[in-house]
Amino acid sequence: QPVLTQPPSVSGAPGQRVTISCTGSSSNIGGGFDVHWYQQIPGTAPKLLIYVNNNRPSGIPDRFSGSKSGASASLAITGLQAEDEADYYCQSYDSSLSGSVFGGGTKLTVL
Amino acid sequence: QVTLRESGPALVKPTQTLTLTCTFSGFSLSTGAMCVNWIRQPPGKALEWLALIDWDDDEYYSTSLKTRLTISKDTSKNQVVLTMTNMDPVDTATYYCARSRGIVGAIDSWGQGTPVTVSS
Repeated sequence: QPVLTQPPSVSGAPGQRVTISCTGSSSNIGGGFDVHWYQQIPGTAPKLLIYVNNNRPSGIPDRFSGSKSGASASLAITGLQAEDEADYYCQSYDSSLSGSVFGGGTKLTVL
Repeated sequence: QVTLRESGPALVKPTQTLTLTCTFSGFSLSTGAMCVNWIRQPPGKALEWLALIDWDDDEYYSTSLKTRLTISKDTSKNQVVLTMTNMDPVDTATYYCARSRGIVGAIDSWGQGTPVTVSS
């Protein structure tokens, strides 16, 4: 069972806004550790999408944004495009486990 | 440009030991804050973090797999090796190596992954 909880799936029509939640605990997100988000197109390696809660690497469109509050974090995608259809994962550090942890992943379907 | 590439056997038998090598370029594991992670993904399932080795030779392991994993590095060859003992069919997965800056840092560069099947 993943340490970070994500909804298994979300969907939206082109142009709409969707959010993906990532819920942790006091030993990870709630303990002040940063959250990072990855996009994985099926059959390919994950790609860094958001780092340190709300920062976008070079080349990532500003349609993608991240936020963090308490023991949870969220990824928002605005202006949905067909190419956004992918799996999305959150990641943080867990002090009880002394290691990195991932969420269970969320499959985004663009209707 | 940072690149990482995994290599190792595509098929191992149950109870055998898996040895995977990550060969990287574009950074040095002797540079402060640099780390190499191993992460796996069973078919159709989520990412699972396995281990990390950092520039200072510190090693970190998944608590659930700690007894089976060993991570090591050869800085002169720009390689990181992961061994996993007592392989089982449930260990069938794509194994990725990836770079991060610190154990709490984002994983900013990933290898393409290498599929490993455990079957007799």
